[in-house]
Amino acid sequence: NAGVMQNPRHLVRRRGQEARLRCSPMKGHSHVYWYRQLPEEGLKFMVYLQKENIIDESGMPKERFSAEFPKEGPSILRIQQVVRGDSAAYFCASSPQVRGSGNTIYFGEGSWLTVV
Amino acid sequence: KNEVEQSPQNLTAQEGEFITINCSYSVGISALHWLQQHPGGGIVSLFMLSSGKKKHGRLIATINIQEKHSSLHITASHPRDSAVYICAVEGNTDKLIFGTGTRLQVFP
Repeated sequence: NAGVMQNPRHLVRRRGQEARLRCSPMKGHSHVYWYRQLPEEGLKFMVYLQKENIIDESGMPKERFSAEFPKEGPSILRIQQVVRGDSAAYFCASSPQVRGSGNTIYFGEGSWLTVV
Repeated sequence: KNEVEQSPQNLTAQEGEFITINCSYSVGISALHWLQQHPGGGIVSLFMLSSGKKKHGRLIATINIQEKHSSLHITASHPRDSAVYICAVEGNTDKLIFGTGTRLQVFP
């Protein structure tokens, strides 16, 4: 049973380009969370998705950022027109049920985005 | 004030020492997680607690719901325990709120 798979592990983009980060949850998991870790800062919630639905995007910047979790395929976090401040580690996590029921959450290895 | 506070921020120890990392939170929670993050690496879930105490190998985690406090203990610490340890809480919503982490270095 493969864990949460994220790719790419490392991504370098020039300012103004687009970044696409992918996350395949653990088998059987239908809930995906994206978290961001800025340099020297703690992790912060970005968005919570279920298949084909965005449940909570209260942590997403209002512009340039979007996320999806289609019926087929991985969840994708998309950052348009990247700026240097977007440089961070982006972690995906998945769980089989709603978090409030107390199921363990599993994290991916993270995607490190560097904007030059 | 952050909703989740950890102490200390940085911790150094000699191999073999007993280590305690503390976490206090100010919100109602359904569960608390202790996570481990190695430099440049991913995040591993160590424990999920909603009450009492859990033990896994040399690691022990406790939680006091009334006092809104949790501790992570490492017995007989080893250099390979060097990492950032992160406390995170689940409230009534479906997202985790994280502490800023405790950076642990264990020297041989």
